[in-house]
Amino acid sequence: DQQVKQNSPSLSVQEGRISILNCDYTNSMFDYFLWYKKYPAEGPTFLISISSIKDKNEDGRFTVFLNKSAKHLSLHIVPSQPGDSAVYFCAASARNYGQNFVFGPGTRLSVLP
Amino acid sequence: DTGVSQNPRHKITKRGQNVTFRCDPISEHNRLYWYRQTLGQGPEFLTYFQNEAQLEKSRLLSDRFSAERPKGSFSTLEIQRTEQGDSAMYLCASSLAPGTEETQYFGPGTRLLVL
Repeated sequence: DQQVKQNSPSLSVQEGRISILNCDYTNSMFDYFLWYKKYPAEGPTFLISISSIKDKNEDGRFTVFLNKSAKHLSLHIVPSQPGDSAVYFCAASARNYGQNFVFGPGTRLSVLP
Repeated sequence: DTGVSQNPRHKITKRGQNVTFRCDPISEHNRLYWYRQTLGQGPEFLTYFQNEAQLEKSRLLSDRFSAERPKGSFSTLEIQRTEQGDSAMYLCASSLAPGTEETQYFGPGTRLLVL
């Protein structure tokens, strides 16, 4: 039973346009969410996070939106750059019940020049 | 480089052999995590330490797996009597906790291939 889902295995976007990566979760206890980026042969790199008390968090070109009622979050990258091409993982944790992160299966983003 | 490091980066072994991986976390981090990642999946939690204490182990962690963090610094993950199903990327992460918004920082991983 996947508690964190990323239903799009891959996404292609033109350079300069917006990339939107989606993530759905099932566990209503999750209260902290993160996005990681992973290049081949490297470990995941932290990108941005959001607490359940917020519905938006911005860091430069990256914005994460959280819709708690829909149990849905999304990562927006604007403008997309070729260097953003990587696998993006959504992760969630229930901080009051332990610190372990549950990861989604990832979405491979390709930004085309 | 003050990031998380893992050794070796690659390991090929024959079924039935034992293997050991090492993780050196970011120096001031008190929590250390082990994950396993297979193709097309996200990292799956295996176990974690706070300082030298192993606080939680996943059901994924069979009796053939053992992890230690003897002095609260580096950690080792040993797999005994390896099986082909153990082939995966083994990731280590560290964090500074407690904190209201914990962030785990990952190492580059050790890729294990069991023949």
